[in-house]
Amino acid sequence: AQRVTQPEKLLSVFKGAPVELKCNYSYSGSPELFWYVQYSRQRLQLLLRHISRESIKGFTADLNKGETSFHLKKPFAQEEDSAMYYCALSGQDGQNFVFGPGTRLSVLP
Amino acid sequence: GAVVSQHPSWVICKSGTSVKIECRSLDFQATTMFWYRQFPKQSLMLMATSNEGSKATYEQGVEKDKFLINHASLTLSTLTVTSAHPEDSSFYICSARSRGLTGANVLTFGAGSRLTVL
Repeated sequence: AQRVTQPEKLLSVFKGAPVELKCNYSYSGSPELFWYVQYSRQRLQLLLRHISRESIKGFTADLNKGETSFHLKKPFAQEEDSAMYYCALSGQDGQNFVFGPGTRLSVLP
Repeated sequence: GAVVSQHPSWVICKSGTSVKIECRSLDFQATTMFWYRQFPKQSLMLMATSNEGSKATYEQGVEKDKFLINHASLTLSTLTVTSAHPEDSSFYICSARSRGLTGANVLTFGAGSRLTVL
């Protein structure tokens, strides 16, 4: 069965500090992995996806198939990064998008 | 960019009545749409996967007779909460799947619909 876990419910860091939001998954096959972000009072939006190997707003995430992880990283956190972050997984057929429980990132001044 | 419109954004109804929520992809065709439920301060719970022209696939524990999903066209999926009860009060979110330029699956979310059942 496919499953996404995010061990931290809440992560607080100071502005300028590095941040890493953890995501682990279980899936039989080759999944597509995503990070979605929800800012206060806004809808969920895509942050980045592993297949694009992109950096958005300074965030990067590398898919580690050996460790079945897709951790989200940013070297220097900004206050505007404070939001709810969800790791998500989908099969390559696009069915069954499943989300992790989410991690609330709070960047302190 | 892709836009998904969800309507209504907020609805209050009496217990026992049915409520329909619409999810439209405005500038793209979505063969697959997803319906989620989100409780306060919790993650999204996938309720069902809706494929155009076929019956929705419901997740375990989701009553298909309670939450009727129809995906009659490539741009519209509807969720009807039948005989709503207070425990059905929640935030319902739809999303539509499209393919990005790299061929990767992309989900675009609606703004959500808050249902309050009195």
